[in-house]
Amino acid sequence: ETGVTQTPRHLVMGMTNKKSLKCEQHLGHNAMYWYKQSAKKPLELMFVYSLEERVENNSVPSRFSPECPNSSHLFLHLHTLQPEDSALYLCASSQSGTGDEKLFFGSGTQLSVL
Amino acid sequence: GENVEQHPSTLSVQEGDSAVIKCTYSDSASNYFPWYKQELGKRPQLIIDIRSNVGEKKDQRIAVTLNKTAKHFSLHITETQPEDSAVYFCAASFPRQLTFGSGTQLTVLP
Repeated sequence: ETGVTQTPRHLVMGMTNKKSLKCEQHLGHNAMYWYKQSAKKPLELMFVYSLEERVENNSVPSRFSPECPNSSHLFLHLHTLQPEDSALYLCASSQSGTGDEKLFFGSGTQLSVL
Repeated sequence: GENVEQHPSTLSVQEGDSAVIKCTYSDSASNYFPWYKQELGKRPQLIIDIRSNVGEKKDQRIAVTLNKTAKHFSLHITETQPEDSAVYFCAASFPRQLTFGSGTQLTVLP
């Protein structure tokens, strides 16, 4: 157990559905991340929250909307997704969000878009 | 932005042999280079990391080497065991984020 929990573990949704992924960290970290993991591709950073600041990957479509109500919780709201969005979505946290420190990953949400 | 290339994409070795995975990065300002291991169906976990002021770091059977001039770093696993079978990802730091390589599927054959 790394202290980062994600729910749900699996999610199947249609292209017109709206769903949310949840992540919670119990490590006292100040930064949280969403990564997308597709087969045969590098882990792709989607969003970073460090204290009050959000750093956003410019290539993330607006159908993905993050929310970070506090330093322990992170959500990814999904709407009108496409089949190519099917992937493993990993949440991570780190102490300060400087980019040069250990990341603690959750187990991920395996998302299938039909 | 940072670009990280990782080779090979797949690697099979006999149990007891050594395995080497190589990565190159593009941003000379990168100063932190971690390696993550992801077993099938599990989360990525940090196994070793190195900072730019160090050329080599060892932890039991694993070691990482860094060549800043060539912008190249490598993971070395000696005396491989079946439990070393996993996907290994290298990464390089960029302000506020890590850029990952595409991963190497290592299979240790008994």
